[in-house]
Amino acid sequence: EVHLVESGGGLVQPGGSLRLSCAVSGFTFSNYWMSWVRQAPGKGLEWVANIKQDGSATYYVDSVKGRFTISRDNAKNSLYLQMDSLRADDTAVYYCARESLIGRDYYDSDWGQGTLVTVSS
Amino acid sequence: QSVLTQPPSVSAAPGQKVTISCSGSSSNIGNNYVAWYQQLPGTAPKLLIYDNNERPSGIPDRFSGSKSGTSATLGITGLQTGDEADYYCGTWDSSLSARVFGTGTKVTVL
Repeated sequence: EVHLVESGGGLVQPGGSLRLSCAVSGFTFSNYWMSWVRQAPGKGLEWVANIKQDGSATYYVDSVKGRFTISRDNAKNSLYLQMDSLRADDTAVYYCARESLIGRDYYDSDWGQGTLVTVSS
Repeated sequence: QSVLTQPPSVSAAPGQKVTISCSGSSSNIGNNYVAWYQQLPGTAPKLLIYDNNERPSGIPDRFSGSKSGTSATLGITGLQTGDEADYYCGTWDSSLSARVFGTGTKVTVL
């Protein structure tokens, strides 16, 4: 069974840093693109970033470029999101998701339960 | 802020049908496949529709998707109380080089 478990969320002051982790099991991690998606309290989904199987390609939403870094350790079956220069509008539940090739395109087929990041003084 | 626009809410009585629209542009829906996600209260999203109109295994055929030009539509027939959730469309935006989600629609069963 596929499992994704996020950790590392918490309360951080504006301008601070936080590193999120996503531990996966139940599938061959190195075969999949992975992504981070966030959801601010009471708001909709916002895709944050994704990373290729070997880490050689990454994409980011404009609002986090230069501040967030997505990475992975295939030996540890883990996905990471390094978040620097955090702002109040980064407050959200952060989900990691497995991107699967289903049909003719890639889709977020499996999701973790999310970890809450709160940026506040 | 989102490039994909959905109605904030739709509602209908049990057993009835609802449709949810998702409006985009040529850089996203117009030239890429659309997915739909269901998010039940307090849970993570779940893939409901992929490739515009295909259902993953385990998704009942009460859920259907379609796409025309730069818009997509999710339909739910035989509405059940368990369908009360937020629904999001999603696709890739070639101009932004980013995944984009719709603004989300809350489905209420009256």
